[in-house]
Amino acid sequence: EVQLVESGGGLVQPGGSLRLSCAASGFTFSSYSMNWVRQAPGKGLEWVSYISSSSSTIYYADSVKGRFTISRDNAKNSLYLQMNSLRDEDTAVYYCARNGLGSDYWGQGTLVTVSS
Amino acid sequence: DIQMTQSPSSLSASVGDRVTITCRASQNIPNYLNWYQQKPGRAPKLLIYGASSLQSGVPSRFSGSGSETDFTLTISSLQPEDFATYYCQQSYSSPYTFGQGTKLDI
Repeated sequence: EVQLVESGGGLVQPGGSLRLSCAASGFTFSSYSMNWVRQAPGKGLEWVSYISSSSSTIYYADSVKGRFTISRDNAKNSLYLQMNSLRDEDTAVYYCARNGLGSDYWGQGTLVTVSS
Repeated sequence: DIQMTQSPSSLSASVGDRVTITCRASQNIPNYLNWYQQKPGRAPKLLIYGASSLQSGVPSRFSGSGSETDFTLTISSLQPEDFATYYCQQSYSSPYTFGQGTKLDI
């Protein structure tokens, strides 16, 4: 069974940092590209970042470029999102999602709250 | 960046109704269009990929069509569990933008 489990969310002050993790199981993690997608409270979905299976290709939304860094460790079946210089508008539930044909599996999400 | 515009933003319907949601891309995305369903407090669920391919396990009352810039999601006969918010997303080029969502309620 494919499972994606996010962790690392929490309350952080503006300007602070947080590192999200996504633990993958039930599939060959190293064969799939991955995405981070977020959803602010009461708002729609916003794509955040993409990483290819080998980490050779990485993309970011303009809203996070230069502040967030996506990475993965295929040996540990894990995906990461390092978030620096956090802003109030980064408050959201962050989901990791597998890229099959479309984002076919999603984690349950982890809540990041940026507030003083 | 490619902008995705869904319509309507909200829709009221009844069990058994046929419902269509549209999604328009600001530029040609061939068939790189996916549809997701999201229920409150839950992660999104993939319904349709490649504009018209039904994801495994998704009921056949869901269908997708379209190409280039204009796409539709159709639910042929609404069931109680279909009341949710639906999103389109283009996977043609980064940033992989979502539509703003269509809330389907009774």
